[in-house]
Amino acid sequence: GQNIDQPTEMTATEGAIVQINCTYQTSGFNGLFWYQQHAGEAPTFLSYNVLDGLEEKGRFSSFLSRSKGYSYLLLKELQMKDSASYLCAVRSFLSNSGYALNFGKGTSLLVTP
Amino acid sequence: DSGVTQTPKHLITATGQRVTLRCSPRSGDLSVYWYQQSLDQGLQFLIQYYNGEERAKGNILERFSAQQFPDLHSELNLSSLELGDSALYFCASSSRGQGVDEQYFGPGTRLTVT
Repeated sequence: GQNIDQPTEMTATEGAIVQINCTYQTSGFNGLFWYQQHAGEAPTFLSYNVLDGLEEKGRFSSFLSRSKGYSYLLLKELQMKDSASYLCAVRSFLSNSGYALNFGKGTSLLVTP
Repeated sequence: DSGVTQTPKHLITATGQRVTLRCSPRSGDLSVYWYQQSLDQGLQFLIQYYNGEERAKGNILERFSAQQFPDLHSELNLSSLELGDSALYFCASSSRGQGVDEQYFGPGTRLTVT
């Protein structure tokens, strides 16, 4: 089964750095994704990690430790438009039938002036 | 705009009824995924199709079914609707169904069951 945990809410100040953590337990791990979702809108892809280490993409970075079942999303130089829900998603291999992408419940980030 | 289209945007129906949600993937994408998002459960994976065939199944109820047609569009059928089925239903597509293969989400269909 899947168990994906991330904080429910976080608040940070414009211009600051924030780290959103995600822990997971799964079998057949095949990659970890981070998505951003503004209220009432579709999720949009931010990052993907399948090997241990840090992936950097502009103001966003994502880290993965497979042995610890742990990932984080780092957002730098926060902007007001970064206020959104951030979803951690784990892709797992389903025997004989492909892959499933299972999402955590999301972390609602509020960026304040 | 992700390139994934979903119709209708909103749907209001009564308990016990049946509805069909439609999804057209991005041009060239072979894989289609369906998700349900409710306030208390978050985004739940329902089912995946790849090039017309079912590839993976998540927490999809027996009252729900889906298919992917030769032109690669997909439909999600929800029957014997219950109040608890009220949710936002997203379709996503990807090119291969594995590897990095990021999923692109459509705008969703908001289903309200009364």
